[in-house]
This record gives sequence, C-alpha cells and structure tokens, in this order.
Amino acid sequence: EAGVAQSPRYKIIEKRQSVAFWCNPISGHATLYWYQQILGQGPKLLIQFQNNGVVDDSQLPKDRFSAERLKGVDSTLKIQPAKLEDSAVYLCASSLEGPASNEKLFFGSGTQLSVL
Amino acid sequence: GEDVEQSLFLSVREGDSSVINCTYTDSSSTYLYWYKQEPGAGLQLLTYIFSNMDMKQDQRLTVLLNKKDKHLSLRIADTQTGDSAIYFCAESIKYKLSFGAGTTVTVRA
Repeated sequence: EAGVAQSPRYKIIEKRQSVAFWCNPISGHATLYWYQQILGQGPKLLIQFQNNGVVDDSQLPKDRFSAERLKGVDSTLKIQPAKLEDSAVYLCASSLEGPASNEKLFFGSGTQLSVL
Repeated sequence: GEDVEQSLFLSVREGDSSVINCTYTDSSSTYLYWYKQEPGAGLQLLTYIFSNMDMKQDQRLTVLLNKKDKHLSLRIADTQTGDSAIYFCAESIKYKLSFGAGTTVTVRA
C-alpha cells in the first residue's frame, strides 16, 4: 500500500513570496489533515477535510494560508505572502474516516519550508 | 503554552528500559496516543490507550495511564538503537489531536 505522498520535500523562499505544497493521501482515505510542525514543537493542526469539505480550519491563518481539496482526493496548501515565522515542516496526514472513530492517522514525510 | 507536556530529552543505554512521561490537561480526552518520529520522516502511530483503561501492553511497549493525575507514560523494554527517535504524546479532544513537544530519545551503546 502506498503511503501519503507530499511534495516538494524542501522549499526555500524569501519572505513575502508565495509557496504551495501538495499532498496525495492514501487511496480511499476520506479524511485529510494539514499540520504545521515548528522546530522543537509538536504538530499543530491547520485544517481538516472530510472528502472535499472542510471540517475544521479554526487554526488556519486565513489571511495568508489557504487549502483546497477540490475532488476529495489530493490537496494543496498555499501560503501567500510568507513570513519568517512560517518556517516549519508541513505535514499531511490521512485516515480512512477520522479521529471520531479513533481511526489511525498516516503521515507523510512532510515539506520543510525555510523562509529567509 | 502546550496543553500536553513532556520532558525534552532522554538518554538510555542499549538493552535497558526507557520510560517517557507525559502530562495532559483535558480530563475529557477520550484517547491518548504515542507517536514516533524518525529523522526526516512523518509521525508513526506506536500505540494508544482508551481513557477508561489503566494499562496497555503491546510487545515491548507498555502504556500506563493515571487519569487522576492526568499522567501518561510509555515504557520501551530492551531499548534498541532503532528506537532512537522523537516520541510524541497526544490527546484526543473533541476528535482533534493535541500533541506535546516531543521527547528525543537517544540510545547509546
């Protein structure tokens, strides 16, 4: 079974530039999550999709971050414009249903973003 | 600050037992989890415990839960070099996971 795929693996940009990350979840997984992991901290949920609908985006800084999962499969996360404090690893995860049923989350390897 | 707190570092000799501790704040947590993160990789679920249980054992892993003190621990028996990683404690609150900052475990020969 293929795992959660993310690209790019690394990205270096200057502040105020834009950047996009891509995630392809495990086939058949209805729920997709984007997490932000700042160095030395645990992952923090940014947004959760159930199929192509948003379940929770309460922690997403909507003035600069956006995410979509148009066909209910793969997803993109965009930052525009980026700030220095956005430097982090962006992790995508998926699950068959969701944590409500204590479904296991499968994580991708992440995209490491450095904002200079 | 973090709702889930863990000590940052643990050094253990190969073959010894490791014990990683965690405290959490929300008494309504339904499940508590331990995740492992190896360098350059995503998080991998190791084990979890339901909040009405005191203990769960899974091969070399033992999870202990003290609900009164809101304390969770993970014991790894016969620690191997492959156990070197960052271990995250997480609680499930209203179906959202809240992670601690992680404990870096270093296994020395």
